[in-house]
Amino acid sequence: AQSVTQPDIHITVSEGASLELRCNYSYGATPYLFWYVQSPGQGLQLLLKYFSGDTLVQGIKGFEAEFKRSQSSFNLRKPSVHWSDAAEYFCAVGEGTDKLIFGTGTRLQVFP
Amino acid sequence: EAGVVQSPRYKIIEKKQPVAFWCNPISGHNTLYWYLQNLGQGPELLIRYENEEAVDDSQLPKDRFSAERLKGVDSTLKIQPAELGDSAVYLCASSLNKVGELFFGEGSRLTVL
Repeated sequence: AQSVTQPDIHITVSEGASLELRCNYSYGATPYLFWYVQSPGQGLQLLLKYFSGDTLVQGIKGFEAEFKRSQSSFNLRKPSVHWSDAAEYFCAVGEGTDKLIFGTGTRLQVFP
Repeated sequence: EAGVVQSPRYKIIEKKQPVAFWCNPISGHNTLYWYLQNLGQGPELLIRYENEEAVDDSQLPKDRFSAERLKGVDSTLKIQPAELGDSAVYLCASSLNKVGELFFGEGSRLTVL
């Protein structure tokens, strides 16, 4: 069965530092992969997605993610974190059409 | 453009009572989803609609949960009777038939006492 693992429950970084959030998936075929962000009291917002082609995808708010088939990973990165990036981040894999399986999320805390 | 609207934002009820959540998707979005988000967990799909048809309700606990999407626009999710374990956030999302590009509402947080 398809699944998504986010190994880090909670990450703390200093403002201005680089960030990498890990995501591993289990899926038989080429997956559709996504990163969503959930700010406190807000709905989830799509950051970026990968369907095919270039394995490095750019998203909103300065985020990027790289699909590595050999490692079954789709890690999210940002070169310099801002305090407003503090939120919960969810990786998801698309199972067929329109059905997403989400990971358990990584909570990002940013210190000034 | 208005986003996905959900109400109520918060609801506190006693166990065995009924509760209903309402969702208004983005105009023109024909696919509507209800997700359940437990504390510290990612969203889990309860039901997905294509227009007014429920095309995936395999994860909906049908003994106490029901949903409808009359006229293929607004949707209502009902729980009757509610149990303590139903305390969670109920998220509604919509999409325009593009895989994975879901637009979420702010959610309805349910507390069952």
